Amino acid sequence: GEDVEQSLFLSVREGDSSVINCTYTDSSSTYLYWYKQEPGAGLQLLTYIFSNMDMKQDQRLTVLLNKKDKHLSLRIADTQTGDSAIYFCAERGDTGRRALTFGSGTRLQVQP
Amino acid sequence: EAQVTQNPRYLITVTGKKLTVTCSQNMNHEYMSWYRQDPGLGLRQIYYSMNVEVTDKGDVPEGYKVSRKEKRNFPLILESPSPNQTSLYFCASGAPNSPLHFGNGTRLTVT
Repeated sequence: GEDVEQSLFLSVREGDSSVINCTYTDSSSTYLYWYKQEPGAGLQLLTYIFSNMDMKQDQRLTVLLNKKDKHLSLRIADTQTGDSAIYFCAERGDTGRRALTFGSGTRLQVQP
Repeated sequence: EAQVTQNPRYLITVTGKKLTVTCSQNMNHEYMSWYRQDPGLGLRQIYYSMNVEVTDKGDVPEGYKVSRKEKRNFPLILESPSPNQTSLYFCASGAPNSPLHFGNGTRLTVT
């Protein structure tokens, strides 16, 4: 079946850039998403990219997609302490049930 | 405000006692789904619904039931909960070709 993998932990200093990486196996992925989860909270959609795009920028967030290598990354510029959270990569395959396959999440710790 | 609302947020129950977690969305979405989140496993789909009276199994449906009698509501039913169903549950809804909107989650503990 489909698989999505992420590293478990990333620590950066406030003001630096953070890059969270994700790899996936489903070659029929249509959309790829980044969700943020703060402690005790639900999933907040940060951004998403359609599979025919290479890059998407939205304020401090830049998403890069390498479809050939099935690699997705999320870059957060000028990382702030409020960015500390768990970040989930998810892909949606080309199936009717619209299921998202999630990675296990990357915990981002921002040090002042 | 567009939102997906789950209730309750926290629930502690005992093995075998039937429970229902409610989910409601105010965006007129046809598609709704339930996920569970477990440490190290990310989120996994339990059931989904493409429209009223249309439901189908996701990846981990065992021990769960759902119903979709009206478009806005999609309750998750555990007829006989067991400790391995202790988890964080998320309801989601979405319009065609748009990202899913998630609720704030329901943390269930089964003792």
